[in-house]
Amino acid sequence: NAGVMQNPRHLVRRRGQEARLRCSPMKGHSHVYWYRQLPEEGLKFMVYLQKENIIDESGMPKERFSAEFPKEGPSILRIQQVVRGDSAAYFCASSPSGGETQYFGPGTRLLVL
Amino acid sequence: GDSVTQMEGPVTLSEEAFLTINCTYTATGYPSLFWYVQYPGEGLQLLLKATKADDKGSNKGFEATYRKETTSFHLEKGSVQVSDSAVYFCALSVGGTSYGKLTFGQGTILTVHP
Repeated sequence: NAGVMQNPRHLVRRRGQEARLRCSPMKGHSHVYWYRQLPEEGLKFMVYLQKENIIDESGMPKERFSAEFPKEGPSILRIQQVVRGDSAAYFCASSPSGGETQYFGPGTRLLVL
Repeated sequence: GDSVTQMEGPVTLSEEAFLTINCTYTATGYPSLFWYVQYPGEGLQLLLKATKADDKGSNKGFEATYRKETTSFHLEKGSVQVSDSAVYFCALSVGGTSYGKLTFGQGTILTVHP
C-alpha cells in the first residue's frame, strides 16, 4: 500500500505566479489535511477536506489560497499570486476517517523568489 | 484555543544517554495525544500516540504517558542512538467539527553524538 504522495517535492516560483501542490492520499483514505511549516516553526493546520467537501478551512489565509479534493484525482492546494512569505514546506496528511491517525506525505517545499 | 508547548531546544546528547522531551497541552474536551518524528528532508512519521488519560504509548524504545492531571505527554527513551537524531513534534487532536485536526508544538531538535 503506497503511502501519501505529494508532488512536486520542490517548487520554485517567482512573486506573482501561481503554485499548485498535489496530494494523493493513501488508498482507502477519503480524508485529507493540509499543513504548512514555516522555517524554524512547527506545522500549522490549514484545511481539512473530504471528497468534494471542505470541512474546515479555518487555518487557510482568506485570500489567494484555495483547496479542493475532487471525486476523482488528487487533492490540490492552490496559491495564487505567491509572495515571499509563502515560502514554506506544505504537508498533506490522509486518514481513513476523521479522527483516525493521520499519515503524512513527504511534503512540497515551495520557494518564492 | 487548543495549544501544545514543547521544551525549548535544541537537545544534544551522547549515544546511550537518557532522553526526555517535555510536552504540555491546553485543550477543550478530551484530546488524543501524539508524538511525530521528522527526519531531515522528510515528512512526519507517527512515533506513538495515546487516546485517553493514563494510556502509555510506546514504539522503538520511546514512550510517553498521557497525564491528565498535569496536562502533559512527555517523551522518554532510556538509551538514545545516533539514528534518533531528528525533530520531534508533540501534537493533539480533539473532536467536533474539526475532528482529527492536529495542533502541533513548535518541535524539538534532537542531535545524538557517537
